Amino acid sequence: DVKVTQSSRYLVKRTGEKVFLECVQDMDHENMFWYRQDPGLGLRLIYFSYDVKMKEKGDIPEGYSVSREKKERFSLILESASTNQTSMYLCASSLGHMSTEAFFGQGTRLTVV
Amino acid sequence: AQTVTQSQPEMSVQEAETVTLSCTYDTSENNYYLFWYKQPPSRQMILVIRQEAYKQQNATENRFSVNFQKAAKSFSLKISDSQLGDTAMYFCACYANAGKSTFGDGTTLTVKP
Repeated sequence: DVKVTQSSRYLVKRTGEKVFLECVQDMDHENMFWYRQDPGLGLRLIYFSYDVKMKEKGDIPEGYSVSREKKERFSLILESASTNQTSMYLCASSLGHMSTEAFFGQGTRLTVV
Repeated sequence: AQTVTQSQPEMSVQEAETVTLSCTYDTSENNYYLFWYKQPPSRQMILVIRQEAYKQQNATENRFSVNFQKAAKSFSLKISDSQLGDTAMYFCACYANAGKSTFGDGTTLTVKP
């Protein structure tokens, strides 16, 4: 089974802190994604990566950055956490073509206080 | 801009009955794929069914089928013989290239015994 693992299920951070959310996949997938899930807003794409060291902005990249130094790992970075970044963050991975299924992690519930 | 609209925030159905979830989309891409994903309570998002936009034939997967109307940009999901385990939030998604993924706001489906 494909496994996408997010490093934390729940996180509480203070305003202004630098926050790292880690995601690891074990199926050699080319694509990796970070989404934010908020009630009534569905999933919104923050960033995606189609190869090591390659990244593209999604719909809501402001306040976030990403890092992909190894194929299996995709990190989301909140440079200076703010309360409006309190949300559920979902990581996903897929093979290269857009027709392929995305596999999701279990999500990280981040609260910024 | 690519959009996906799910007009039914919540729905319910009696066990063993049939329910249809609605989805409309808009994309400027000629080649795209449509997906329905399921997110059970406190569990990971998983693929339900996918449809290739260039295929006229509607996709089916056991009790799940779609009604794909390309001209109307409509992609509804029909669940037959509903089961308690179908209780979940369902997301419609459009992938127009490897990273350009757009999800709807989701429909929360409750199957009642």
